[in-house]
Amino acid sequence: GQNIDQPTEMTATEGAIVQINCTYQTSGFNGLFWYQQHAGEAPTFLSYNVLDGLEEKGRFSSFLSRSKGYSYLLLKELQMKDSASYLCAVREGLTGGGNKLTFGTGTQLKVEL
Amino acid sequence: EPEVTQTPSHQVTQMGQEVILRCVPISNHLYFYWYRQILGQKVEFLVSFYNNEISEKSEIFDDQFSVERPDGSNFTLKIRSTKLEDSAMYFCASMVTGGGNYGYTFGSGTRLTVV
Repeated sequence: GQNIDQPTEMTATEGAIVQINCTYQTSGFNGLFWYQQHAGEAPTFLSYNVLDGLEEKGRFSSFLSRSKGYSYLLLKELQMKDSASYLCAVREGLTGGGNKLTFGTGTQLKVEL
Repeated sequence: EPEVTQTPSHQVTQMGQEVILRCVPISNHLYFYWYRQILGQKVEFLVSFYNNEISEKSEIFDDQFSVERPDGSNFTLKIRSTKLEDSAMYFCASMVTGGGNYGYTFGSGTRLTVV
């Protein structure tokens, strides 16, 4: 089984930088995903890490340390539209196996003026 | 950009009734999934489907649930006898291949309300 922990909620100011942490315990780790979810909508893919290090994608970056079971999502130059829930999800199993994602409870980010 | 399409967007049903939730995955995708999200809770895996058979299912996916890919485009989730606790948002997802950095593409969901 898996255990994925992330803070329940965070508040940040428009234009600032925020870091959302995620810790996980799993066997057969095969990648970590970050999704954004606005209320009542589907999760949308933000980033993917399978090797240690930082992946940068515009205003969003994601970091992974497999030995520590730790990831973070970094959001820069925050905009009001970034107010949403951010979901950390871990994939287990062998590559090519069509493996499921196990989601954390999500971090509700509120961006204020 | 290709989309996963789900219908209906909202369904209300009486307890004990059967419901079928429909999904049209992205056309060149090979792996299909159903997830659900009870209001205020996390997204939970139900079932994965590949090569016309279930590849994995969760404890939630009991005998009341079934999936089908009746033709080359549709992927359905059937709940035979709905319970109040089945009320949730149901998301279909698809992926072109089982691994790598290909993101799972989620549909916009069907909100199921059991009364």
